[in-house]
Amino acid sequence: AQSVTQLGSHVSVSEGALVLLRCNYSSSVPPYLFWYVQYPNQGLQLLLKYTSAATLVKGINGFEAEFKKSETSFHLTKPSAHMSDAAEYFCAVNSGGANNLFFGTGTRLTVIP
Amino acid sequence: NAGVMQNPRHLVRRRGQEARLRCSPMKGHSHVYWYRQLPEEGLKFMVYLQKENIIDESGMPKERFSAEFPKEGPSILRIQQVVRGDSAAYFCASSPPRGSAGVSSGELFFGEGSRLTVL
Repeated sequence: AQSVTQLGSHVSVSEGALVLLRCNYSSSVPPYLFWYVQYPNQGLQLLLKYTSAATLVKGINGFEAEFKKSETSFHLTKPSAHMSDAAEYFCAVNSGGANNLFFGTGTRLTVIP
Repeated sequence: NAGVMQNPRHLVRRRGQEARLRCSPMKGHSHVYWYRQLPEEGLKFMVYLQKENIIDESGMPKERFSAEFPKEGPSILRIQQVVRGDSAAYFCASSPPRGSAGVSSGELFFGEGSRLTVL
C-alpha cells in the first residue's frame, strides 16, 4: 500500500521567510515522489520530482525537496517566500509502477506581506 | 505544444441530469487518468485508460459513473443522474506510453479541470 500524509492543511509565512511544507510517505517499495502546485481555479503543475537519483531535488520557482528514506519524508522548502507562491501544494507518490499517483490532502500556503 | 485540454471548464447541472466531461491528452500521450477533487480535499484517483481500454477503474463509484477513451476523439467521463455530492472539480491527466525515451516515471500532466456544480 502507498500513501502520503501532508502535515498542516494551512501554512502561513511572511514574505521573505522560509517555506517548509511537510510530506511523509508510506510505500513498501522505493517510491517516486512528486510535489505539484495548484493556483486558484487552475490545474496542477509539477514543481519537482524524485525518481531515485539525487536525494536533494531542485524544482521550479526556487523550490527544492529532500528525500530522506530513514524518515520516509519528502519535505518541500524554499528559502524566501514570494507573494506569488501563495497556492495549494500537493505531495504525491507512485511506487512499484502503480497505475496512478496517490495524492496527499494538500497544504494551502498563504504569504503575508 | 498544447497541454491537456479539458472542456467544459464549468458545468452546471440539476439533480438527475447527465454530465459529460471531455479530455484531450497531450500530443503523443496515450494514457489518460481522471481524478476528482472535492472541496478542501486532495485529488482522488478515479480511472486510468488507454485507447479503447479501461486499465484501472478501482476509484470509480460503482454506479452512475463511466469513462471511455475511444480510438478517435477525447476521453469522456460520464456521470448519470447527478446528485449534489457529485459537485467537484474533475481533473484529467495524461502521460506518455510506458518505456518511451525521456519518460519520467509516474509523472502526470494535468489539465485545468472541469468544475461541476449540481443544483
